[in-house]
Amino acid sequence: DTGVSQDPRHKITKRGQNVTFRCDPISEHNRLYWYRQTLGQGPEFLTYFQNEAQLEKSRLLSDRFSAERPKGSFSTLEIQRTEQGDSAMYLCASSLLGSTGELFFGEGSRLTVL
Amino acid sequence: AQTVTQSQPEMSVQEAETVTLSCTYDTSESDYYLFWYKQPPSRQMILVIRQEAYKQQNATENRFSVNFQKAAKSFSLKISDSQLGDAAMYFCAYRSSGNQFYFGTGTSLTVIP
Repeated sequence: DTGVSQDPRHKITKRGQNVTFRCDPISEHNRLYWYRQTLGQGPEFLTYFQNEAQLEKSRLLSDRFSAERPKGSFSTLEIQRTEQGDSAMYLCASSLLGSTGELFFGEGSRLTVL
Repeated sequence: AQTVTQSQPEMSVQEAETVTLSCTYDTSESDYYLFWYKQPPSRQMILVIRQEAYKQQNATENRFSVNFQKAAKSFSLKISDSQLGDAAMYFCAYRSSGNQFYFGTGTSLTVIP
């Protein structure tokens, strides 16, 4: 297994456009997390899944953000009507329920909104 | 809500010397995990070391060790024999009993040759 992979690695878009990021977790991991990270800050929680169920979503998350994990494997994070404030690194991480629970991170998807 | 505080935005250390990064957290739980993650420039975050709150013994991984003070809610990371490859952002993280993770704002570590 090659670890958590994210696609695309970089995305530049114009304000108002929709963007979608994909995350493929480590295959046996049943938990999947999305975080947002801005320069000089730690990862900020967005949402997480256990298998295909979305268990928690940050209260700070705008309704322009939506995430899915339809078959309990890969996940997508969509941002509609992007704003310049959405510019950030979007990190995906996975973990195995019942283990020590550490997160394994992908390399992130960097979004720039012009 | 749990919070994680890293009060040192930047630290530097001479190669081969020892450095300690500080972390405090706030929680009302008794069962949780603590982690230190390393994020090299433009690279993914990787686990450095973990500590289970119910264990009194401080975790150690090669040159990395922690000083876990549960009553004080303190969790510092000591890096011994610092190497150039240790230069990175270091994040302290708390995992709650509900499997939610909370991260500090990070400490940028520079290793001086």
